[in-house]
Formats: sequence, structure tokens, C-alpha cells
Amino acid sequence: AQSVTQLDSQVPVFEEAPVELRCNYSSSVSVYLFWYVQYPNQGLQLLLKYLSGSTLVESINGFEAEFNKSQTSFHLRKPSVHISDTAEYFCAVSEVGSQGNLIFGKGTKLSVKP
Amino acid sequence: GAGVSQSPSNKVTEKGKDVELRCDPISGHTALYWYRQSLGQGLEFLIYFQGNSAPDKSGLPSDRFSAERTGGSVSTLTIQRTQQEDSAVYLCASSLGTLLSYNSPLHFGNGTRLTVT
Repeated sequence: AQSVTQLDSQVPVFEEAPVELRCNYSSSVSVYLFWYVQYPNQGLQLLLKYLSGSTLVESINGFEAEFNKSQTSFHLRKPSVHISDTAEYFCAVSEVGSQGNLIFGKGTKLSVKP
Repeated sequence: GAGVSQSPSNKVTEKGKDVELRCDPISGHTALYWYRQSLGQGLEFLIYFQGNSAPDKSGLPSDRFSAERTGGSVSTLTIQRTQQEDSAVYLCASSLGTLLSYNSPLHFGNGTRLTVT
């Protein structure tokens, strides 16, 4: 069965600093990978996803994540964060060939300070 | 409504009582998921329905938890003999198809906050 590990439960950074939120997964088969974001007092929403093809995927608000099969990682990065990026970020995995069950990590709370 | 609707938004119940949580997915979405979100535990998978296939119940924490999906649409999550550790936000999500045919992200509801006293 697949699993997801987000090593950092909280990441505080200053505005305009770069940030990396780490995600590692475990699976015996190929996977699809996702990052979801939950802004304060809002529901979860998809940030970006890797299904196939280019291992570097980007979101519309400047985040990017790179699928690294050898390291079984899908870390989320942004070169310069804004106050509005303050949210909880969840990494998720689904095994290729499965019925589509999506397993989430425990989340990383990103706090951006001025 | 265009989104996933969950009711009630808040539920306070006494230990030992049964509760039912309802989810109305987006019309036409064949996949429906239930998750539980609690402090320190992140987002915990409970159960997954996909079309007419048998549901994936592998995440249900005990036999006090059950869920059904009638007519491929509305889903009800039932917790029997509630315990204080059941207190959490219960989230429902739906998507257009399976992730295998993917171009449909999960759409989450706003959740039901369950408090067991």
C-alpha cells in the first residue's frame, strides 16, 4: 500500500524568501502525485499534479514540484513567497492501476511572516 | 450549487450516540471520498466510492464507521456509539472520474465539524 511522508509539520519563513516543502512517498508501483492547499478557513483545493511526462510541474501562482523517482520525492518549491501563501499544504499519492484511492500526507503548515 | 455540499456543518453529540453525516457530490461525479481531518493526524482516508464498484473501505478506523452511497450520488457516513476520539472535521470530496483517466481534481466540501462530548 502507498504512503506519504511530509517531514515538516510547520515551516515559518519570511516574505520573499524561498521555500521548500518536502514530500516523500512509498509505493511498490508507479504513482500519480499531487499537492493540495488549504488556505485559512477554506476548503482543500488542487495546487498541482504529476501524472506523466515532464517531471517538473508548475502551478499558476509560482509553485513548482519535481517528481524524483529515484528518491521517491515530490518536493514543493517557490523561489519567493508572499504573505498570501500562508496555508497548509498536503502532498498526496495514488497508485497507477489502482481504483483511484488518494492517500494524503499529514500536511505542512507554511507561515509567511513580513 | 456548483460545489460539494456537506451537512450539517457542525454537529455536537453525546458520547455513545449515533451520528449521520451527509455529502452531496457535484452532479455527474462518479468518484466520492470521505476523509477525516484532526489535529496532529492530518488528512486521514476513510472510504472511497467509484461508480458501481465495491467501495474501498480500507481506511475506516473501526466497525462503528460505515458509509453508503445511494444511486451513485448522495453519500452518508454513519458513526455508531460515538467516542470522544471521533471528534474531527469529516471531509467529503468528489471527482469526475478515476485518477487513471485523470484530468479531474478532487473537489472538497467544507466539511462537517463533529464534536463528541
